Amino acid sequence: QVQLVQSGAEVKKPGASVKVSCKGSGYSFTAYYINWVRQAPGQGLEWMGRINSNSGGTNYAQKFQGWVTMTRDTSISTAYMELSSLTSDDTAVYYCARGFASYGMDVWGQGTTVTVSS
Amino acid sequence: QSALTQPASVSGSPGQSITISCTGTSSDFGGLKYVSWYQQHPGKAPKLLIYEVNNRPSGVSSRFSGSKSGNTASLTISGLQAEDEADYYCSSYTISTTLVLFGGGTKLSVL
Repeated sequence: QVQLVQSGAEVKKPGASVKVSCKGSGYSFTAYYINWVRQAPGQGLEWMGRINSNSGGTNYAQKFQGWVTMTRDTSISTAYMELSSLTSDDTAVYYCARGFASYGMDVWGQGTTVTVSS
Repeated sequence: QSALTQPASVSGSPGQSITISCTGTSSDFGGLKYVSWYQQHPGKAPKLLIYEVNNRPSGVSSRFSGSKSGNTASLTISGLQAEDEADYYCSSYTISTTLVLFGGGTKLSVL
């Protein structure tokens, strides 16, 4: 079946970077965008950006430009999201989601909890 | 900065219909042509319910429907069931470099 499987939970210190992976299976990986969305504890959803899994082209939300990097490795059908200079405000669940139709997201990963704490 | 505004909470009884609104300046959001709706249960990943205003992905119940009028998109849930109790988010394409924006979310309680 179509699924996205993300890497496990991370605990990082302030100032560090985190890299989360998202492996697609059950579909043609390069035919779809991968979006990244985060959700801080008790808060709503926040779109971070997306990557064209075929070309590698990216669109980042203005807030994250300069400190998020999205990449992909088509040989293993995996997308990555790296966030640098972490602060406690980056403590959140990070989701990857497959792009669908015009700006929808139809398949979601299980989420990766990133905790930033000294 | 552009924003999509949703009510913080709505409630209804089993069997009733409810509507959740999502309001944003149409010109900032591409005419609100690309609105999606998601359902999220506690501790779970969101689930796509509606895309492009009023289209349901395969497998989504026909009890969920979407519409748009002016600066407001809406999600209607008919025949409310206990399992519909969840958080609901709208999202839309935006004309800014932040291509996608989510609304603040609406908590649905089924009384």
